[in-house]
Amino acid sequence: GAVVSQHPSRVICKSGTSVKIECRSLDFQATTMFWYRQFPKQSLMLMATSNEGSKATYEQGVEKDKFLINHASLTLSTLTVTSAHPEDSSFYICSARDRERGRGPQHFGDGTRLSIL
Amino acid sequence: GENVEQHPSTLSVQEGDSAVIKCTYSDSASNYFPWYKQELGKRPQLIIDIRSNVGEKKDQRIAVTLNKTAKHFSLHITETQPEDSAVYFCAASWGKLTFGQGTILTVHP
Repeated sequence: GAVVSQHPSRVICKSGTSVKIECRSLDFQATTMFWYRQFPKQSLMLMATSNEGSKATYEQGVEKDKFLINHASLTLSTLTVTSAHPEDSSFYICSARDRERGRGPQHFGDGTRLSIL
Repeated sequence: GENVEQHPSTLSVQEGDSAVIKCTYSDSASNYFPWYKQELGKRPQLIIDIRSNVGEKKDQRIAVTLNKTAKHFSLHITETQPEDSAVYFCAASWGKLTFGQGTILTVHP
């Protein structure tokens, strides 16, 4: 089945550090990838939609200069949390949709737990 | 934008009983309704989905019903087992997913 690989799974770093998270579709091509943030005991909140070869679309309230997204190929999207602070600590999850299946199901990565000290 | 409401927030049942989780959505343009199961610290896993041209779908112990007129859809789990314990999320989509708030399901042996 469709597999999405997300790395790293866990990051602990000091305040002010920039952190890069990768999301790869392993056995399918994804024109569109999605980035979510999930705080403890809460639902998944869409941060942005990543489109291959074009600028990402950010949800209201998400700072595009804070959360940089690059979708350089049909199998890779990256999220960079710039100058991370403790309030950025969260569980970040990406998902990808198989472009051969149109608006079909999204396949999720394992998530990245980010802890900023 | 789309708004998805999910109830109940917690659900406790005895093993073998049925569990029902309900969701409502606001955007009539939504045409795809997946349900995800998420265990602690893990990725959401798609367990069943339904499109707007179908009223009901079943996969073994899991079924989903959709009422487009009323804009609500429900997840039904029969013969629950302890391993069904997890957080369940509904979602609605016509392009991007909007998730419900989640239901913590606990199945007691």
